[in-house]
Amino acid sequence: EIVMTQSPATLSVSPGERATLSCRASQSVNSDLAWYWQKPGQAPRLLMYGASTRATGIPARFSGSGSGTEFTLTISSLQSEDFAVYYCQQYNIWPLTFGGGTKVEIK
Amino acid sequence: EVQLVESGGGLIQPGGSLRLSCAASGFTVSTYYMSWVRQAPGKGLEWVSVLYSGGTIHYADSVRGRFIISRDSSKNTLYLQMNSLRAEDTAVFYCARAYRDGHNAFDYWGQGTLVTVSS
Repeated sequence: EIVMTQSPATLSVSPGERATLSCRASQSVNSDLAWYWQKPGQAPRLLMYGASTRATGIPARFSGSGSGTEFTLTISSLQSEDFAVYYCQQYNIWPLTFGGGTKVEIK
Repeated sequence: EVQLVESGGGLIQPGGSLRLSCAASGFTVSTYYMSWVRQAPGKGLEWVSVLYSGGTIHYADSVRGRFIISRDSSKNTLYLQMNSLRAEDTAVFYCARAYRDGHNAFDYWGQGTLVTVSS
């Protein structure tokens, strides 16, 4: 099973600042990497797939990069609605696996 | 508009069985890869099972032999039959749609249904 490791576990950021989240796979997943965000009491929502393609309706301040084992999600200027938990997920090899999440909180 | 609505969760004793349903609208369940994903209280996401449009099925090791995924095309509904339930199966269960065949990033999720396994 591919282990997905996200860092940091918690990221404290002020509104308007840039946030950089990392996700590492224990072996290559090519570009089969998705990012989700989840707010308390809500279902996850797809942000990014194919490592760098924004899902429908996702604003341009979100960008994704990486391939193989190292991936990054960048939020260029944090808005109040962006404070949430972010998960990465690989879908290259069964079983599908998720990272443990990064909580982005208000500094 | 695409919608997924789960139901069937509740409190069940260890060793018991439960069947979850995921009613879909706005698209045809049988033409997409559909998965169940669960989230234990305060924890992260865990993929549980997938049913391909072509009928292939995969399970996570933690549920293989106990859970069965299926669909009813006439009702446009996905199911998860859960047997021999354990305390560690306690979680919110979500159904989710893959955005494209063979590419299991989930573009639509249901609101989730809570399963609590406890005596």
